[in-house]
Amino acid sequence: GPKVLQIPSHQIIDMGQMVTLNCDPVSNHLYFYWYKQILGQQMEFLVNFYNGKVMEKSKLFKDQFSVERPDGSYFTLKIQPTALEDSAVYFCASSRRLGDNYAEQFFGPGTRLTVL
Amino acid sequence: GDSVTQTEGLVTLTEGLPVMLNCTYQTAYSTFLFWYVQHLNEAPKLLLKSSTDNKRTEHQGFHATLHKSSSSFHLQKSSAQLSDSALYYCALSDVGDNSKLIWGLGTSLVVNP
Repeated sequence: GPKVLQIPSHQIIDMGQMVTLNCDPVSNHLYFYWYKQILGQQMEFLVNFYNGKVMEKSKLFKDQFSVERPDGSYFTLKIQPTALEDSAVYFCASSRRLGDNYAEQFFGPGTRLTVL
Repeated sequence: GDSVTQTEGLVTLTEGLPVMLNCTYQTAYSTFLFWYVQHLNEAPKLLLKSSTDNKRTEHQGFHATLHKSSSSFHLQKSSAQLSDSALYYCALSDVGDNSKLIWGLGTSLVVNP
């Protein structure tokens, strides 16, 4: 089936540095998402993105976070500067528009971010 | 706000026995309910989805029925297999295109020989 790739699978970074998480979505998908999962907690929605714009973001999507997908390349999540509480697994997902039907979100395997 | 509750963090059972993983939810809106399955080091994958009250939905031997009266969407299988060992997440999304998913904590299913 369709696959979403995430690069890297693991990232260790010092607090205060910048990090960029990369997502290669399914090729004909138009909607993109980031979710965050802290160890032992449930996965939580961060942001979704369509046509070059953020459509909706949660309160977890702090000012230090930004997303973009320049020229149809990777869909990225940038955190600058990072904080200890940003340590989590970040999942990317993509979906295509299906009119009134729910559009299935396809997930990547996640990037485990550790902030020291 | 919307929420999803999965009461069991870990379910351990023997191959061949029936599986039932609980999921209840709270929402003020019409909604889709989902079960996602995540095997070790893999991406979560959609297993089942439903928005129709009292209609059974099936896939890969698993089934679930959305009951709006009790706000439940329990996952069942008649006979567990070793390969069913995985993390199972229940999630909801409000009706509408490409809405965000609200997740439960997940239930780890371990099937032993």
